[in-house]
Amino acid sequence: NAGVTQTPKFQVLKTGQSMTLQCAQDMNHNSMYWYRQDPGMGLRLIYYSASEGTTDKGEVPNGYNVSRLNKREFSLRLESAAPSQTSVYFCATQGAGGFGDTQYFGPGTRLTVL
Amino acid sequence: DAKTTQPPSMDCAEGRAANLPCNHSTISGNEYVYWYRQIHSQGPQYIIHGLKNNETNEMASLIITEDRKSSTLILPHATLRDTAVYYCIVNNAGNNRKLIWGLGTSLAVNP
Repeated sequence: NAGVTQTPKFQVLKTGQSMTLQCAQDMNHNSMYWYRQDPGMGLRLIYYSASEGTTDKGEVPNGYNVSRLNKREFSLRLESAAPSQTSVYFCATQGAGGFGDTQYFGPGTRLTVL
Repeated sequence: DAKTTQPPSMDCAEGRAANLPCNHSTISGNEYVYWYRQIHSQGPQYIIHGLKNNETNEMASLIITEDRKSSTLILPHATLRDTAVYYCIVNNAGNNRKLIWGLGTSLAVNP
């Protein structure tokens, strides 16, 4: 099992360009999350999806849109990238049951906006 | 959600126990204590969680005080690969299950 995968691993954009970060999971989890992490900071929640077909804003949603395409996939779109969006982006999934609310993270996408 | 307080950094000698403290004095009765770690710039990794009893797994032990206002994560025999940022988080499993991440403790395991 691959767990949580993210593409691309690295990306450089110019201000104003758009892109979509992809996340896929094979853990059959209902909940999926997008976080960003700036240097020396903790993770901040951008958007999350409690189940297929639903999405909700997190702490820092401005400048982003998301799509929960199906149970496996949750994408994050930057419509017009800004230098303030330079960050590392992590996707996570969350199951239920025996492990409580454990979250499982992907390897991250390192985005630089020039 | 309750907030946590952790020391910004700690050192530990390789092979010795690493004891990482966390203060969560405003924790409520239905909130769990979770520990994650982040090695280099990888995605965070779950370590352990507990409600009020002490817990142990293959990675670590979690000691929660009787009043639940603080806890300690114990890595019994720290190795160089345990060098990471350790995050203590409290969360109510009954709500939307969002986790609030602080700055964590940067643990350096020295040879």
